[in-house]
Amino acid sequence: GDSVTQTEGLVTLTEGLPVMLNCTYQTIYSNPFLFWYVQHLNESPRLLLKSFTDNKRTEHQGFHATLHKSSSSFHLQKSSAQLSDSALYYCALSASGYNKLTFGKGTVLLVSP
Amino acid sequence: DMKVTQMPRYLIKRMGENVLLECGQDMSHETMYWYRQDPGLGLQLIYISYDVDSNSEGDIPKGYRVSRKKREHFSLILDSAKTNQTSVYFCASRDRVYEQYFGPGTRLTVL
Repeated sequence: GDSVTQTEGLVTLTEGLPVMLNCTYQTIYSNPFLFWYVQHLNESPRLLLKSFTDNKRTEHQGFHATLHKSSSSFHLQKSSAQLSDSALYYCALSASGYNKLTFGKGTVLLVSP
Repeated sequence: DMKVTQMPRYLIKRMGENVLLECGQDMSHETMYWYRQDPGLGLQLIYISYDVDSNSEGDIPKGYRVSRKKREHFSLILDSAKTNQTSVYFCASRDRVYEQYFGPGTRLTVL
């Protein structure tokens, strides 16, 4: 079945440094939809960005990601981390029928002053 | 403002008791979901509902059942709750461009 692998565990950064959270996926379907969801402490997950188009950069709220089907990747990046970026980040895949989301295990990003 | 609601927000039950978690949405979304979230395991799909009385098992359905009698309402039922069902449960609904909207979650503790 479908699977998503993310940078596991905890990523700690100093404010102002660049953010890169890795996400790779596996699916037999040729037109996957990839998503990044963010969950701040004591909140529910919400969509950060999504992409269906190969090799096209998607941006939202200072974050960006590019779906690369050739490498099955959808890494999340930001040029300069802010304290408010501290949260749990999930990469997710939707492929067959687009009804089901398969989530990675999540990456906690902790940004310190 | 699009909204998914969940009740109750916190629940403590004893092992063997029945549990009912309720979810509502005001967006007329056809597809709804129940997930559980555990540290280190991420979000795991319990059930999907495609519309009224059209439900499908997710990845971890054992020990759970669901009911959807109205499009805006989706219930998760635990018959005879077990301690390993202690978790945070999220309901979500999906729009036509594949974005899922999550409710605030229910923190369930089974003693």
